Amino acid sequence: DAGVTQSPTHLIKTRGQQVTLRCSPKSGHDTVSWYQQALGQGPQFIFQYYEEEERQRGNFPDRFSGHQFPNYSSELNVNALLLGDSALYLCASSLAVNTEAFFGQGTRLTVV
Amino acid sequence: GESVGLHLPTLSVQEGDNSIINCAYSNSASDYFIWYKQESGKGPQFIIDIRSNMDKRQGQRVTVLLNKTVKHLSLQIAATQPGDSAVYFCAENGAGDDYKLSFGAGTTVTVRA
Repeated sequence: DAGVTQSPTHLIKTRGQQVTLRCSPKSGHDTVSWYQQALGQGPQFIFQYYEEEERQRGNFPDRFSGHQFPNYSSELNVNALLLGDSALYLCASSLAVNTEAFFGQGTRLTVV
Repeated sequence: GESVGLHLPTLSVQEGDNSIINCAYSNSASDYFIWYKQESGKGPQFIIDIRSNMDKRQGQRVTVLLNKTVKHLSLQIAATQPGDSAVYFCAENGAGDDYKLSFGAGTTVTVRA
């Protein structure tokens, strides 16, 4: 079992550009959540996808959007990148609510 | 607003000693809690979880204690090893339609040889 996999591992983008991050959940998991982790802080919830729909959203602007595909994989899109969007973006998968959530290794996004 | 927090940002432990990492939470409606370990450059790694209907749960070398009266969570690591050096986060899952995990800022554990 490959666990949760994310791509790419590192990314450098210019302010104003758009970025797409990808996540494949752990085998058997149907729920995918995305988190943003700034340096030295705990992860902050962006949104969660279940059955190809956004089920819950955190306190992030509309520039952050996502998608879940029929195979449960997911994408995170960020438009009009700001310097403050530089962070580690984490994907977590689980089978149901209030069960073990497993994280991927993250995508380190740097906006210059 | 309500959030999960940790008592101490750093903890230095002698190899072989037991470690205790504390966490205070403020959302009394939370019914599921997880401890994660995060090593530099990696994603959080699941350590152990506990539900609100329990007050203690044991794993391999780790024990989580939950005190709902004072809204306190702790992680005990027995016989701490150099590989235990990392940042530890507690996370809570709200009840009902709140599906997200809320994390504190983390405790950095350093194991001294």
